[in-house]
Amino acid sequence: AQSVAQPEDQVNVAEGNPLTVKCTYSVSGNPYLFWYVQYPNRGLQFLLKYITGDNLVKGSYGFEAEFNKSQTSFHLKKPSALVSDSALYFCAVRPLPNSGNTPLVFGKGTRLSVIA
Amino acid sequence: DTEVTQTPKHLVMGMTNKKSLKCEQHMGHRAMYWYKQKAKKPPELMFVYSYEKLSINESVPSRFSPECPNSSLLNLHLHALQPEDSALYLCASSLSTAPRQETQYFGPGTRLLVL
Repeated sequence: AQSVAQPEDQVNVAEGNPLTVKCTYSVSGNPYLFWYVQYPNRGLQFLLKYITGDNLVKGSYGFEAEFNKSQTSFHLKKPSALVSDSALYFCAVRPLPNSGNTPLVFGKGTRLSVIA
Repeated sequence: DTEVTQTPKHLVMGMTNKKSLKCEQHMGHRAMYWYKQKAKKPPELMFVYSYEKLSINESVPSRFSPECPNSSLLNLHLHALQPEDSALYLCASSLSTAPRQETQYFGPGTRLLVL
């Protein structure tokens, strides 16, 4: 089965420090991977996705993610965290075509707290 | 227009009520989705419409009834809900469900409380 794992429920980082939110995936073949962010009482906002090409994907709000096939990871990163980055972050994988029609499978989410 | 709108923002209903949630997008997207999200949990897919036809029903109870009157509009009709149905209901849309067109854009959600 296609799945993603976010091993940390909570990540705390000081403002100005680099941040990493971890995601590992379990899929057969080449995955489509996504990151979404959810601010309190809001819907999910698309940050970035990996389909093919460069392993380093740049997205919205200064976020980037690195696809690592050997480690089956797709960690979200930002060089300098802002207090306003505090939110719930979801990693998601798109199952391959012809392997079920489920559009996205979400990880459980990681709550990021950036402390001033 | 690059957003998905949902109305109402909040809804309180009794277990015998009938109500509807509405979702609208004007991005020309042909796939639309309903999700249910409990607090601090990931969204759970409920329904997918592709080109105005229901393509996925994730074994959702019949007290939830989706409707896609046209390519821009998606409704979720609610009837005889249970308190455990209280949640944030999210709508999303994407260009289509085809590979490389499946990036979903979400609305702000309707927070539903069933008493």
